[in-house]
Amino acid sequence: DGGITQSPKYLFRKEGQNVTLSCEQNLNHDAMYWYRQDPGQGLRLIYYSQIVNDFQKGDIAEGYSVSREKKESFPLTVTSAQKNPTAFYLCASSMVQGYEQYFGPGTRLTVT
Amino acid sequence: KQEVTQIPAALSVPEGENLVLNCSFTDSAIYNLQWFRQDPGKGLTSLLLIQSSQREQTSGRLNASLDKSSGRSTLYIAASQPGDSATYLCAVLNAGGTSYGKLTFGQGTILTVHP
Repeated sequence: DGGITQSPKYLFRKEGQNVTLSCEQNLNHDAMYWYRQDPGQGLRLIYYSQIVNDFQKGDIAEGYSVSREKKESFPLTVTSAQKNPTAFYLCASSMVQGYEQYFGPGTRLTVT
Repeated sequence: KQEVTQIPAALSVPEGENLVLNCSFTDSAIYNLQWFRQDPGKGLTSLLLIQSSQREQTSGRLNASLDKSSGRSTLYIAASQPGDSATYLCAVLNAGGTSYGKLTFGQGTILTVHP
C-alpha cells in the first residue's frame, strides 16, 4: 500500500524546545516537500529536496531545518528560533520536482 | 511573484445545486494547475490536474477548466451532495521566475452543502 505517512498526528511542545516531525514515503519519489498551513493563509513552502543529500529553502525556512539522508525520509525540525511554530504541517512528494505532488495526512503542532 | 486567489472564500448551498469555484493566478508561466480537496484536520487529496496545454479535465461530477492566458480556472461541481463539504484548494506549478518548479496555493474555498 503505497503512500506518505506523517507522525505523529498531534504534537505538543513547550516553547523553547526543538521538535522533529517525521515524513516517510514508499512511492519511490525523488522529490519531497514540507509545507506549513495556517488558518486563512493557504499552504506555504518551508523546504524541499530534489534528491537524497540535497535540499533547498522554500519561502519560510527561518526557524526550521531538514535532512535527506534516505530517499524515503525527509524529517523536519522546528527549532526554538521559529517564532510562531503552532500550525498544521504537511509533507508531500513527487516523482521529480515539477511533477504532481502527493500529500501526507499532516501533523498538527501546538507549542505553548 | 506568483499569487493565487480563490473566490469565494466560503460558499453554502443546498444539496443538489450545481456550483462553481473560481481560481485566478497572476503569472501565466505555469506547467499545470491542480485542484485539491481538504477535509478538516486532514491532508490534501488531488481532485484534478490540468496541464498548461489543456483546457479542461473531468472526473465524475467534477469538471475543471483552465484559461492560461487570462490566468483563470474554474471547478464545476454538479449535483452537489453533503459529502462534498470540504475546503477546496487551487494550486499552480510555476514554470518561471523565483518560484520555478514550486507550487503556489490559493487560500481555499470552504464549501458547505446542506441537506
